[in-house]
Amino acid sequence: SQELEQSPQSLIVQEGKNLTINCTSSKTLYGLYWYKQKYGEGLIFLMMLQKGGEEKSHEKITAKLDEKKQQSSLHITASQPSHAGIYLCGADMDSGGSNYKLTFGKGTLLTVNP
Amino acid sequence: NAGVTQTPKFRILKIGQSMTLQCTQDMNHNYMYWYRQDPGMGLKLIYYSVGAGITDKGEVPNGYNVSRSTTEDFPLRLELAAPSQTSVYFCASNRPAYEQYFGPGTRLTVT
Repeated sequence: SQELEQSPQSLIVQEGKNLTINCTSSKTLYGLYWYKQKYGEGLIFLMMLQKGGEEKSHEKITAKLDEKKQQSSLHITASQPSHAGIYLCGADMDSGGSNYKLTFGKGTLLTVNP
Repeated sequence: NAGVTQTPKFRILKIGQSMTLQCTQDMNHNYMYWYRQDPGMGLKLIYYSVGAGITDKGEVPNGYNVSRSTTEDFPLRLELAAPSQTSVYFCASNRPAYEQYFGPGTRLTVT
């Protein structure tokens, strides 16, 4: 079974709409990382969360890690075509915060229609 | 800084051939990784290294080998290529407790 579940698998939104992507773990997370990937390219780091209840924002993207450190959400406000791509969550579940063994979710494919 | 660089970008192999995927980072990171990404499957860890001379298996190591003779380089060797190794391969590196930086990937097809 997948240790890190992402939902939804894919999402199509109209430009200007808000959206949320979730990442859920069956284990306590020592660190949670959000990445964005455009088709055929490498992963671009977005945000890192380590403390329960932590919330970080960058431009129109906000990520939160719940108090129990088993779920994270990525929220995009007023989506734009430039937000389109695959969003991946990666979690440190085994290396105690050293972050040398990340487990990744399967990704969420986001399409933003103009 | 160039960051993490990978060569080649694309490669087609015949079944049974061997090849080495090159990965170099210029950020003096101790930790380096090889992942493979299959469509709709996220990233799977193949091998990782926490420093020169130290390597360890990840989730899917069968059919691959690695070495880490320097801090900068972490090549991935495929012996006797099989169609199941058709994938996109990513190299990454980081400092402990910090985010991983990814290379642009190598797209490998085995036919």
